[in-house]
Order: sequence, then C-alpha cells, then structure tokens
Amino acid sequence: LAKTTQPISMDSYEGQEVNITCSHNNIATNDYITWYQQFPSQGPRFIIQGYKTKVTNEVASLFIPADRKSSTLSLPRVSLSDTAVYYCLVGDDYGGSQGNLIFGKGTKLSVKP
Amino acid sequence: ETGVTQSPTHLIKTRGQQVTLRCSSQSGHNTVSWYQQALGQGPQFIFQYYREEENGRGNFPPRFSGLQFPNYSSELNVNALELDDSALYLCASSLGASRNTGELFFGEGSRLTVL
Repeated sequence: LAKTTQPISMDSYEGQEVNITCSHNNIATNDYITWYQQFPSQGPRFIIQGYKTKVTNEVASLFIPADRKSSTLSLPRVSLSDTAVYYCLVGDDYGGSQGNLIFGKGTKLSVKP
Repeated sequence: ETGVTQSPTHLIKTRGQQVTLRCSSQSGHNTVSWYQQALGQGPQFIFQYYREEENGRGNFPPRFSGLQFPNYSSELNVNALELDDSALYLCASSLGASRNTGELFFGEGSRLTVL
C-alpha cells in the first residue's frame, strides 16, 4: 500500500510561506501526487497535482525530488483563510482493480494573525 | 462551487436501521467515489463506480453497497447500521476512473449520526 506520512500539525503567521512535506516511500511508477485542502464540515478541495520536479498554479507549488519518495507543498504568503487540513495523496491499487486515493490524517495548518 | 450535490445533508438513524445517501455528480463526470470520514480522521475510500459498474472497493463490509445510474448519479446504501457508522459521507465525481486523471470534485457531504 502506498501510504503517506505528514506532520500532524503546523503553525504559521499571516504573510509567511508554508511548506508541508509528505513522505511516500512506496509510491508506484505510474502514481501521481495530489494535494487536497479541507475546511471543517466541507468536502476536500483539489489544490495541485504533479508527477515529478516542480508544478506551480495560482495557489501553490509542488516540489517533487527525483526519487519521488517525498513531496513538498508550498503555500506562498498564507492568510487566515488558509487555516485548514491539507492531505497528501498517492494512488493505490486494491487487488488489481482500479486504484483509489488513500487519505491519511493530513496536516492541520493553523495560520495566526 | 463544485457542482456535486449530496442529500440529505444531515440525518439521524438508530442502530439496525438502513440508510440511503444520494449524490449527483458534476456535469460530464462518469465516475463517482464514496468516502467515509470519521471525526478527526481523513476520508476513507468505500468504493468507486465507473459507468454504472463498481470499479474498486475499500475495506468496508458488504452491508455498504452502492449504485450508479445512467445519468451517473449515485447512491450509497448502508444496512444494519452500527454506532461506528456515524461519520461524514463524502461523494466525489471525476472524469475517468484512473487515480491519476486529475482532481476529484467533492460534495459537501452527508452527516450521519447513528444512535
């Protein structure tokens, strides 16, 4: 099983850059790495997805080293509204059927004023 | 707004009862996945439906079952409810069944409480 390991929680202040690192030692060759954000009592929301090197969109960057055994989500200049749980996911296969996504416990990011 | 709608938003049942949760997928999406999220935990994969067929299942007992309809909407049925079934049930739609086909669009969830 391709599991992920993330810090349970992180604290930051408004305006800072936040980097959340995820370990996924057993990632499969064809797997992508995907990050989701979740606010309380809401469904997760897609942030970014990548396979290798660096991916950037309007809200975040994703850094993936050559061995792909870890990845780092970078949130530039966070605000109070970025307080949420962040999940790192890689795909997994159950008995040869189409894969599903395994969510770990995520990282609870608290942004303070 | 994701376009995925779930109903009901909240419901209360008692042990032993049965429940049906419904999900309308985002327009154009042919795949629906269901997740269970207990308080303080990440979502746990229940199963996925692709073009009306079950296409992968997580570690949940057979009393968790589902359907996908020709319009790609979906139902999650849980029989013989147990106290531990109390959770937020999330539906997510996507285009294609591969785990690497990009983002899942989640609904707001159905909060089930079993007494």
